[in-house]
Amino acid sequence: DQQVKQNSPSLSVQEGRISILNCDYTNSMFDYFLWYKKYPAEGPTFLISISSIKDKNEDGRFTVFLNKSAKHLSLHIVPSQPGDSAVYFCAASPNAGGTSYGKLTFGQGTILTVHP
Amino acid sequence: DTAVSQTPKYLVTQMGNDKSIKCEQNLGHDTMYWYKQDSKKFLKIMFSYNNKELIINETVPNRFSPKSPDKAHLNLHINSLELGDSAVYFCASSPRGTKQFFGPGTRLTVL
Repeated sequence: DQQVKQNSPSLSVQEGRISILNCDYTNSMFDYFLWYKKYPAEGPTFLISISSIKDKNEDGRFTVFLNKSAKHLSLHIVPSQPGDSAVYFCAASPNAGGTSYGKLTFGQGTILTVHP
Repeated sequence: DTAVSQTPKYLVTQMGNDKSIKCEQNLGHDTMYWYKQDSKKFLKIMFSYNNKELIINETVPNRFSPKSPDKAHLNLHINSLELGDSAVYFCASSPRGTKQFFGPGTRLTVL
């Protein structure tokens, strides 16, 4: 029962171009979404998040878009840099409170490679 | 000044043994978590503690027992290790259930 899906296992982009990573979810109770970046042999590091009351959140080169009706979110990286090469995980969380407090459900990750 | 630290980083052991993984955070967060990343790379939550109280306990075999001596520490003890327990285990912490900060992971290999 995979509630968060990242259907592209990998993405290859030229330096300076836009990287678009996609994520779909099935659980209507999810209302907080996050992107994490992971380098080999390290833990995931938080990148950017969005609440379901918004449809866009921007932080520097990173922008996350949320389409609630389609249960889809995407991460845009512009311009892409070689240092962005990593695995990107999408994660979702239901309303805080009770036993779901802080529980994140992760997608399986997309490997982004940015070529110089 | 590591935020979330785990020891050991690598753990190789025989089936049937008992082992522990330690986690410490110096961020002052109230909530700590254990995740398992399996061979298919999925990150799945196992446990969560808030101020030393267990709040999330997913369908994890009872051979896995988390222990939180204080809110800065969450250790994971595993009894009677099985081959299927081989994975990377990540500890994380967060302030009141918001974005989580992860440790570097512990790669457990059961032979």
